[in-house]
Amino acid sequence: DGGITQSPKYLFRKEGQNVTLSCEQNLNHDAMYWYRQDPGQGLRLIYYSQIVNDFQKGDIAEGYSVSREKKESFPLTVTSAQKNPTAFYLCASSIAAGGPSNEQFFGPGTRLTVL
Amino acid sequence: SQQGEEDPQALSIQEGENATMNCSYKTSINNLQWYRQNSGRGLVHLILIRSNEREKHSGRLRVTLDTSKKSSSLLITASRAADTASYFCATDATGGGNKLTFGTGTQLKVEL
Repeated sequence: DGGITQSPKYLFRKEGQNVTLSCEQNLNHDAMYWYRQDPGQGLRLIYYSQIVNDFQKGDIAEGYSVSREKKESFPLTVTSAQKNPTAFYLCASSIAAGGPSNEQFFGPGTRLTVL
Repeated sequence: SQQGEEDPQALSIQEGENATMNCSYKTSINNLQWYRQNSGRGLVHLILIRSNEREKHSGRLRVTLDTSKKSSSLLITASRAADTASYFCATDATGGGNKLTFGTGTQLKVEL
């Protein structure tokens, strides 16, 4: 059963704490992406990775960090430097890096709330 | 930056009616994609139209692309209550590095 999974579904964090959101895919996709979605808004790109051990900043990377040590995994860390981290976080993957963008497959999302 | 802007922001129709959503963008593109999002869920890809295509169909979906006006429209025919969702356009900008820029979305509500 192929797909992209995110965990946890809901996450609560105290101010000043770092938290890591998990994203795993078994689609054998090269590219992976992290987006942030605020209520009633579209998606904004945080980080993306075209290939293992490489990643690039998106439009709103400040206060976030990622790693891509394995093809199937792309965890996102929300650091204490992120001023307004409460949001819905979506991970996605696509089949190939380079060239025109292909269809992206999305996980179910993680809703992060800072208390 | 948000390249795609959808219009209208919200749309309410009766079941069986057609729903039309529009998307405008700012730069040249390789392709434009439409996605659907049910409340609190991930996005689901609906259709991709390339910059050299003008119209594409998939089931009850019809997408048009006018690169001279930098706009696209998504038509859902014979809508159903299950079509209730938010719909987003996403553009793959030329030279953009294999990433999409999403619009702000149209919230569609289909009432029985």
